[in-house]
Amino acid sequence: DSGVTQTPKHLITATGQRVTLRCSPRSGDLSVYWYQQSLDQGLQFLIQYYNGEERAKGNILERFSAQQFPDLHSELNLSSLELGDSALYFCASSVDAGASLDTEAFFGQGTRLTVV
Amino acid sequence: DQQVKQNSPSLSVQEGRISILNCDYTNSMFDYFLWYKKYPAEGPTFLISISSIKDKNEDGRFTVFLNKSAKHLSLHIVPSQPGDSAVYFCAAMSNRDDKIIFGKGTRLHILP
Repeated sequence: DSGVTQTPKHLITATGQRVTLRCSPRSGDLSVYWYQQSLDQGLQFLIQYYNGEERAKGNILERFSAQQFPDLHSELNLSSLELGDSALYFCASSVDAGASLDTEAFFGQGTRLTVV
Repeated sequence: DQQVKQNSPSLSVQEGRISILNCDYTNSMFDYFLWYKKYPAEGPTFLISISSIKDKNEDGRFTVFLNKSAKHLSLHIVPSQPGDSAVYFCAAMSNRDDKIIFGKGTRLHILP
């Protein structure tokens, strides 16, 4: 158990709909990262939040957005869903925002999103 | 454009032998590299890391080698065990923007 909790574990929804994925980081971790894993793309970095503020942005579509709340949990909002958005969405957390000898990112078990 | 590349989608190694997983990167600003291991239906778990100021880091059966001039790193598992069968992701970070960039992963099969 990594200490990172993601809900729900599975989600099935129709095209055009909107969903919210939730992530609770490890206790004490200030950074939250969101990743999308699809069959052919591996793990794609979407976005990072550090202590409530957006820190780094990756290949995140405009239809997707995220936020980190004062209690440090984060939500990833996916709207106008398309079939190609079906993937595993992972959240990770780390203590700080920078790369260092002690930085590790701990991952949740992921949310499997299926768009039908 | 993929900044972190794992060119072997899969690898099969006999139990007890050495497993070598390779990773290449293109961005010379990366200064920290990590390997993650992932079992089916689980999130990736951190395995071992190396800073760009080193060329080798060892932790038990796992050793990571970094060749900065070639922009190449490799993970060696010696000896390979059945429980090592998993997908291994190479990842890289830069102090400049804090993103963790992953490769596509290599599926390692340890054969009995």
